[in-house]
Amino acid sequence: LAKTTQPPSMEAYEGQEVNVSCSHTNIATSEYIYWYRQVPHQGPQFIIQGYKDYVVNEVASLFISADRKLSTLSLPWVSLRDAAVYYCIVTGYMGYKLTFGTGTSLLVDP
Amino acid sequence: EAAVTQSPRNKVTVTGGNVTLSCRQTNSHNYMYWYRQDTGHGLRLIHYSYGAGNLQIGDVPDGYKATRTTQEDFFLLLELASPSQTSLYFCASSDTTNTGQLYFGEGSKLTVL
Repeated sequence: LAKTTQPPSMEAYEGQEVNVSCSHTNIATSEYIYWYRQVPHQGPQFIIQGYKDYVVNEVASLFISADRKLSTLSLPWVSLRDAAVYYCIVTGYMGYKLTFGTGTSLLVDP
Repeated sequence: EAAVTQSPRNKVTVTGGNVTLSCRQTNSHNYMYWYRQDTGHGLRLIHYSYGAGNLQIGDVPDGYKATRTTQEDFFLLLELASPSQTSLYFCASSDTTNTGQLYFGEGSKLTVL
């Protein structure tokens, strides 16, 4: 499983767009990129997944570099409710041993 | 919406005590997982299962047993609880067709005195 590296923390104001980066330099051709977030006292929640290029859903967008070694989760117009720990995970589409690191803690200021 | 329910949500026991954490999913998923979460370590996989009667060892299995009795139910057993097992435990499930997309329960806080 490819190892991921994320910044430990970020801070933003409400209404800003936030970009959380994730480095996965050893990603294999069979592996996908998943993003989760976890708010206090709750389990992690799936946000988005992708393999290459650009993926968007109603919550976020995910940009993946051409060599797939870097991905960026973009959160438009963050609110206080977006304050959470964001995890980047790389695993095979049929990989069942997801490894959660310590993630990126996003602080949102009013 | 996928549903994973854990019980109990909070449990306090003493060293050497016997604890069972329960998890039920109504997603018709084949895969179920038990994770523990501790400050500074993120989530760590204890055991997982891909069907009734199946058990696979995760990354931190020592001191834990697990049993998958049905597709819906996955139990985590601590037969001789120790203070080092004080933690927040999460159960999750995933579908065979996309095992990277996990659905988590609300967590069970265990304190071993």
